[in-house]
Amino acid sequence: NAGVMQNPRHLVRRRGQEARLRCSPMKGHSHVYWYRQLPEEGLKFMVYLQKENIIDESGMPKERFSAEFPKEGPSILRIQQVVRGDSAAYFCASSQRGIEKLFFGSGTQLSVL
Amino acid sequence: DAKTTQPPSMDCAEGRAANLPCNHSTISGNEYVYWYRQIHSQGPQYIIHGLKNNETNEMASLIITEDRKSSTLILPHATLRDTAVYYCIVRPPGDKIIFGKGTRLHILP
Repeated sequence: NAGVMQNPRHLVRRRGQEARLRCSPMKGHSHVYWYRQLPEEGLKFMVYLQKENIIDESGMPKERFSAEFPKEGPSILRIQQVVRGDSAAYFCASSQRGIEKLFFGSGTQLSVL
Repeated sequence: DAKTTQPPSMDCAEGRAANLPCNHSTISGNEYVYWYRQIHSQGPQYIIHGLKNNETNEMASLIITEDRKSSTLILPHATLRDTAVYYCIVRPPGDKIIFGKGTRLHILP
């Protein structure tokens, strides 16, 4: 069984560009969570999605950040007009029904030049 | 905000049992205690979880006090590969996981 797959593993963007981070949950999982980890800091919750629905986006910055989890395909975390402060590791996790343990991917390291 | 309190760091000799404490004095009746760990730069890894009873799996044991206000994660025979940040998390069913600062566990050779 494949685990949670995130790509790309590393992403480099220049200030002002857009970043798209993809997350494919484990097979059979319909709940996806995104977390951000700044250098030398803890994991911060960003958003919790179920297929085609945002359940909780209380951790998402109000501007430039958006997330989706369509009926078909991976979940996408989109950051528009990136700034240096967006440089971080972004982790995705999935669960089957939202009440069990979460399985995490290996993360995407975003570097903004 | 995280609802748990953990020591910022601990040391443990290789081959000995590592006992990681966690306080969660405001835990509600339907909230589970979860433990995850993060080995340098990797995605967090699930270890174990429980509600009221003590739990054991191939990785660790979880001891929850009778009043559920604290718990201890036990790694029975620590190895160098167990060096990581360990997070104790209190989570209602169906809710997101909120990570605190965790305990940085150093396994000493």
